[in-house]
Amino acid sequence: KNQVEQSPQSLIILEGKNCTLQCNYTVSPFSNLRWYKQDTGRGPVSLTIMTFSENTKSNGRYTATLDADTKQSSLHITASQLSDSASYICVVRSSGNTPLVFGKGTRLSVIA
Amino acid sequence: KAGVTQTPRYLIKTRGQQVTLSCSPISGHRSVSWYQQTPGQGLQFLFEYFSETQRNKGNFPGRFSGRQFSNSRSEMNVSTLELGDSALYLCASSSVPETSYEQYFGPGTRLTVT
Repeated sequence: KNQVEQSPQSLIILEGKNCTLQCNYTVSPFSNLRWYKQDTGRGPVSLTIMTFSENTKSNGRYTATLDADTKQSSLHITASQLSDSASYICVVRSSGNTPLVFGKGTRLSVIA
Repeated sequence: KAGVTQTPRYLIKTRGQQVTLSCSPISGHRSVSWYQQTPGQGLQFLFEYFSETQRNKGNFPGRFSGRQFSNSRSEMNVSTLELGDSALYLCASSSVPETSYEQYFGPGTRLTVT
């Protein structure tokens, strides 16, 4: 069964600190993996899309890594800001005419 | 370029009623997908439309249906509402339904069933 598991479920960090969110998937065959940021009450916004051949991709203070062999991805946030408080959702797409498979997200709270 | 718009933003309905939600994709986008988001289940895929044809359907009962019009706008309908249908319904659009293309989400419609 195609699944995406994220950890931790929730995380609280101090402003200015770094953090890493994890995503493990069993989706096969694999096409791409996406990280989304979702603020409370809003729709998800894409941070990165990574294909099989990409190991690392950055978007400002967000850096995603992908290990297609172990089927793991991580999202590293550097120098966190209060505005980083949101849910971060890992999404995997298989190849062909198949829908996206979503993780349940990690709820990040950045406090002053 | 305007983003994905969804109407209404908030809706309160009673059990047994039916509801229609609307989604207008980004101009030029022809693919529209619908998702249900609840705290317990996260985001779950409902269906995907491209050029007025349903390409994919998730594991939801037949009470959930949708359609897409020639201008790419899409509607989803839920009949005989149940308490468990309370959720945030999100619509996403992309230029084509290919696997590598970016999806852009709307703000969602918050449905509360009482």
